[in-house]
Amino acid sequence: DTAVSQTPKYLVTQMGNDKSIKCEQNLGHDTMYWYKQDSKKFLKIMFSYNNKELIINETVPNRFSPKSPDKAHLNLHINSLELGDSAVYFCASSHGTGTNEQFFGPGTRLTVL
Amino acid sequence: GQNIDQPTEMTATEGAIVQINCTYQTSGFNGLFWYQQHAGEAPTFLSYNVLDGLEEKGRFSSFLSRSKGYSYLLLKELQMKDSASYLCAVRDTGGFKTIFGAGTRLFVKA
Repeated sequence: DTAVSQTPKYLVTQMGNDKSIKCEQNLGHDTMYWYKQDSKKFLKIMFSYNNKELIINETVPNRFSPKSPDKAHLNLHINSLELGDSAVYFCASSHGTGTNEQFFGPGTRLTVL
Repeated sequence: GQNIDQPTEMTATEGAIVQINCTYQTSGFNGLFWYQQHAGEAPTFLSYNVLDGLEEKGRFSSFLSRSKGYSYLLLKELQMKDSASYLCAVRDTGGFKTIFGAGTRLFVKA
């Protein structure tokens, strides 16, 4: 069974479109994250949710809107896509914080044309 | 400010030992993680240090000096499959935010 899953794995779209990426974890974790990894492989935190509550919003444009319907899901909706949004987006989860490692999903490669 | 530095690339020979260094300057500290990321895949957890000293886990060991803002990952008996990026990451005091370094790409040659 996949611990952290994301859909879709690849997403190719035109500038200006709106798209969503879904994330689900079956580990029973209470904290979930979205990261962006750009072409230089820098992994940057975007959002962190704990028990469905937004904890961290790391100066991400308003065009990005996360939504956590329950503790097992954290979806990411992106409006008015721009060329600079092209990257790999990773969802992750952990049991609480502190010493606990994060488990990453397989990533969604977004290409904006 | 928040800053994590690690070498961009390293090359080592199969069977050898390699040490990947990481220095950090962050506003808070609640532990340092090392993750491994193979090309095109997700990062996977390798080690965690919150107290000074060495943590050993099979072929991999990680060291932390909080006073120096310094850590290293030691890989022994290198195998070809160890060719990957190694990400140093610091968790902030609140615990919900982890700051990643840019990663060190390790090439293991025969």
